[in-house]
Amino acid sequence: AQSVTQPDIHITVSEGASLELRCNYSYGATPYLFWYVQSPGQGLQLLLKYFSGDTLVQGIKGFEAEFKRSQSSFNLRKPSVHWSDAAEYFCAVGASSSNTGKLIFGQGTTLQVKP
Amino acid sequence: SAVISQKPSRDICQRGTSLTIQCQVDSQVTMMFWYRQQPGQSLTLIATANQGSEATYESGFVIDKFPISRPNLTFSTLTVSNMSPEDSSIYLCSVKRVASYNEQFFGPGTRLTVL
Repeated sequence: AQSVTQPDIHITVSEGASLELRCNYSYGATPYLFWYVQSPGQGLQLLLKYFSGDTLVQGIKGFEAEFKRSQSSFNLRKPSVHWSDAAEYFCAVGASSSNTGKLIFGQGTTLQVKP
Repeated sequence: SAVISQKPSRDICQRGTSLTIQCQVDSQVTMMFWYRQQPGQSLTLIATANQGSEATYESGFVIDKFPISRPNLTFSTLTVSNMSPEDSSIYLCSVKRVASYNEQFFGPGTRLTVL
């Protein structure tokens, strides 16, 4: 069965510091992978996605993520965090072999940014 | 992307009553989904709203409690029936387009509090 694990429930970084949010997935084939961000009181916004090809994908707001098949990981990175990046981040996996369109979400990581 | 609106944005309801949440998207989409996000938790898929037929429910969710309609390709409703405080959550709809590799776009959510 598909599953997604975000090991870090809460992360605090200083503004201007680099950021890496971890995501590990379980899926038998090549999955479709996504990172979403949810600001307080808002819906989810798609940051970036991986379907195939280049394993380093660029997203909006200066975020990038790297797909590592050998580690079953899809970690999100940003070289310099801004105070406005404080939010909840969700990693999600979709089945490439299914047309159900379903996504499985991780538990989320809350990012706090210190001034 | 897609522009998705939900009504109401929030509501406070009494135990035993029902609330219907509307989801409207600005263009035709193939699939629409309803999720629940309990306080401090991740997203859990309730059901896939099928146009012109009964929704497909996930394990743990039943039609009597969460009836769903989808009369056309741009609109869906979710009703939370006979509510209890345990139903207090954010309810989100999402949409997927044809051949979009499971990429979903989310509405802003409906924050429901049941007293």
